[in-house]
Amino acid sequence: DAKTTQPPSMDCAEGRAANLPCNHSTISGNEYVYWYRQIHSQGPQYIIHGLKNNETNEMASLIITEDRKSSTLILPHATLRDTAVYYCIVETNFGNEKLTFGTGTRLTIIP
Amino acid sequence: GAVVSQHPSRVICKSGTSVKIECRSLDFQATTMFWYRQFPKQSLMLMATSNEGSKATYEQGVEKDKFLINHASLTLSTLTVTSAHPEDSSFYICSARVGRVAGEQFFGPGTRLTVL
Repeated sequence: DAKTTQPPSMDCAEGRAANLPCNHSTISGNEYVYWYRQIHSQGPQYIIHGLKNNETNEMASLIITEDRKSSTLILPHATLRDTAVYYCIVETNFGNEKLTFGTGTRLTIIP
Repeated sequence: GAVVSQHPSRVICKSGTSVKIECRSLDFQATTMFWYRQFPKQSLMLMATSNEGSKATYEQGVEKDKFLINHASLTLSTLTVTSAHPEDSSFYICSARVGRVAGEQFFGPGTRLTVL
């Protein structure tokens, strides 16, 4: 069973904030939320991860709900180069984990 | 930092030949590297986990004798597709884990294999 559920596709206007949702209702207390993206014909790129607090870095912000059953990745000012498939992954952080990629959300930035 | 390279980026070979793909961590040492395969319009599927100095751990359904993995140093892992067939045509991607953040992996640019 998939640990996460994401919409298959989304559009966002260039310059606007892109908000990508992810449901992970069965997440356990020691599991983190990771976000990666894959631009066409390239390897995936790590974006951000978090446990329960909201996180921000130079690429994006991650908002995790208080019950941790869902999260939102926010790209504050989307550009055309942000067009990609975005993957939300839930995994522990003990050191031996593997990343399991679901189908992700195909985000298209519209000029 | 945390750059991973792959070579070659693209390879075309005849059915029955073997193809070696290299994955290098350029500016860090990676004790663990991963190999993924991605078919068109599908997500990445983990093939195996490669630990430096030990045998690779293969995912269920991946033939270890067909997909040979060698992780001889902390900066190099190789995947050899032996006796390749057209159904092995795919996008092969490696990644390396940095430090102790288990889910933070850095991926190579991928190798597109086409078997004629």
